[in-house]
This record gives sequence, C-alpha cells and structure tokens, in this order.
Amino acid sequence: DQQVKQNSPSLSVQEGRISILNCDYTNSMFDYFLWYKKYPAEGPTFLISISSIKDKNEDGRFTVFLNKSAKHLSLHIVPSQPGDSAVYFCAASARGSGNTGKLIFGQGTTLQVKP
Amino acid sequence: GAGVSQSPSNKVTEKGKDVELRCDPISGHTALYWYRQSLGQGLEFLIYFQGNSAPDKSGLPSDRFSAERTGGSVSTLTIQRTQQEDSAVYLCASSPQRFYEQYFGPGTRLTVT
Repeated sequence: DQQVKQNSPSLSVQEGRISILNCDYTNSMFDYFLWYKKYPAEGPTFLISISSIKDKNEDGRFTVFLNKSAKHLSLHIVPSQPGDSAVYFCAASARGSGNTGKLIFGQGTTLQVKP
Repeated sequence: GAGVSQSPSNKVTEKGKDVELRCDPISGHTALYWYRQSLGQGLEFLIYFQGNSAPDKSGLPSDRFSAERTGGSVSTLTIQRTQQEDSAVYLCASSPQRFYEQYFGPGTRLTVT
C-alpha cells in the first residue's frame, strides 16, 4: 500500500528553466509534507516543508504547493541549476496525538538539469 | 556543527551472520529514527526512539531486527541471521523533537551474500 507516490521516476530540464516535481498521497491523516534531496552515497537533505494549513511555502528558488482536495503536492525549482541534479523524495507525516512523526516516503524522482 | 554519523559506511556479510549498525545522532536531538532504502525504492520506516518513551517498533520487518538507544544518544540496529533481502542502505535520522524536520546520516550500505 503505497501511501505516497511519485509517479515520475525521472525528469530532465534545461538549466535556467523551471523544474516541477509531483507527489500524490492517499492518507487524509497526513498533515505535514516535506521534500528531501539526495545525492549518491549521501543521506537525504531536508529542502522544504509545508503544513496542511497552508497551500504554498517558498524558500529561495524552491516553492512547494499543496492541494489538499486533490491530495497532491508539487515542488517547483526556479531557475534550475546543474547542482540541483539529484534524487528528490517527497515525504508525509501525521502529526496528531499518538503519532511518532515517522515519515512516509515516495519512491523518488531523479532530476537532471542540463547545462 | 556535527551532523548525524553512521558506521560502518559499508558492510558485506554472509547470509546467516548477525550485523550491528551504529548511529550517532546530532547532540541534543531527542528523536531518532531508522529507515532503510532498498534498491530503487523509497525510504521505509523501521523504528523510532523519543527520549525515555517506549520505542515505536511498528516498521521492523521481522523479529530478526532489533534496535536500542543507550543513554538517549547512540543507537544500534541489529539484524540477526541476515538474509539476502536485508541488503539495503540503512539510514538513521535525528530530530530535535518528533514532528520536526529530520536530519539524516550518510547511511550504511549492507550487502548480504
């Protein structure tokens, strides 16, 4: 039962253009969403998060959008840079009483930004 | 400051042997999580520690897996009688408290031959 899905295994964009990575979830109890970036042989690095009380959160070149009715979130990177080439994981958590904060991850999307 | 560290970085073991994986969380972080990433998959939750509370072991795949956290700091994940399907990257993460962003270590790549 895949509660968090990233349906695009890979994405290739040109340097300077926008990268849009998508994520869908099925569990309506999720109320906190995060994006992580992972380089080979390294652990995931936290990028940006959003609470379910918001529909947008921005941090520099990174913006996350949340559509609760569609159970969909996306990460926009503008402008994309070659150093952004990595695997991007979407993760979700339920922060209600009794929960542990464990993250449920999607399968990841490999982003390649071409110079 | 120092991040999350894990050792060893790589471990090759024969089927049936026991292995121990170590995690040193960020100092002061009370929440500690173990995940594993199998080839081509996302990260899968294994176990969670928070202070002196009972751990959440709901993600452990079998009773061959166990973990402990001593003194609220270092954690050890033990896999007994390893199987080939245990081959994966085992990642540890720590957080100031539950529900905050988690900071990951570099992982231990376990290969069971």
